[in-house]
Amino acid sequence: GAGVSQSPSNKVTEKGKDVELRCDPISGHTALYWYRQSLGQGLEFLIYFQGNSAPDKSGLPSDRFSAERTGGSVSTLTIQRTQQEDSAVYLCASGTPVGGSNEKLFFGSGTQLSVL
Amino acid sequence: GENVEQHPSTLSVQEGDSAVIKCTYSDSASNYFPWYKQELGKRPQLIIDIRSNVGEKKDQRIAVTLNKTAKHFSLHITETQPEDSAVYFCAARRYNTDKLIFGTGTRLQVFP
Repeated sequence: GAGVSQSPSNKVTEKGKDVELRCDPISGHTALYWYRQSLGQGLEFLIYFQGNSAPDKSGLPSDRFSAERTGGSVSTLTIQRTQQEDSAVYLCASGTPVGGSNEKLFFGSGTQLSVL
Repeated sequence: GENVEQHPSTLSVQEGDSAVIKCTYSDSASNYFPWYKQELGKRPQLIIDIRSNVGEKKDQRIAVTLNKTAKHFSLHITETQPEDSAVYFCAARRYNTDKLIFGTGTRLQVFP
């Protein structure tokens, strides 16, 4: 595709259920990021990947959150035993490595997660 | 780790006036500072960026300045227009990493 694709666009779940969010980055982008945006709030860093490895997982809020990336492409963010405070928009972005000629990040349209 | 603070959280200006948004960062090893604009209901998009070897960069009505000594950088929008209304995010990245940390955002409203 031409841009970063995220699915689902909306997810409503019950407290305690697990959810899986998917991000399909722009082809050729080796860096992939997950951010969380609560209503009216900033972009909270969760994790980023360089290829399939995650050099920095420091932003993951708790051990209920995990992410993986396979084949240097698609990434999934999994939230186990969801809580109401997990409700937010989860944004994925992809880009080229540090020092590349264009370091712009391209964002997906996000997954709106609502935990009831 | 890096921490980015952004002020003000909201800013209202009259069309044609200038707007200034300021950010400070904590990690002196940061060397890349982009600004993203997020219109209502849309995804953030890069509008301008600056590297630590440059003090100022301009692109039409938008400019960014960087003070490495004080560890702060600012976005300047001149001759504001209603379509400039959006949330603006600053960000900082350390030189040896891809990790990009964003500020908390500034909601800019430009009134006709």
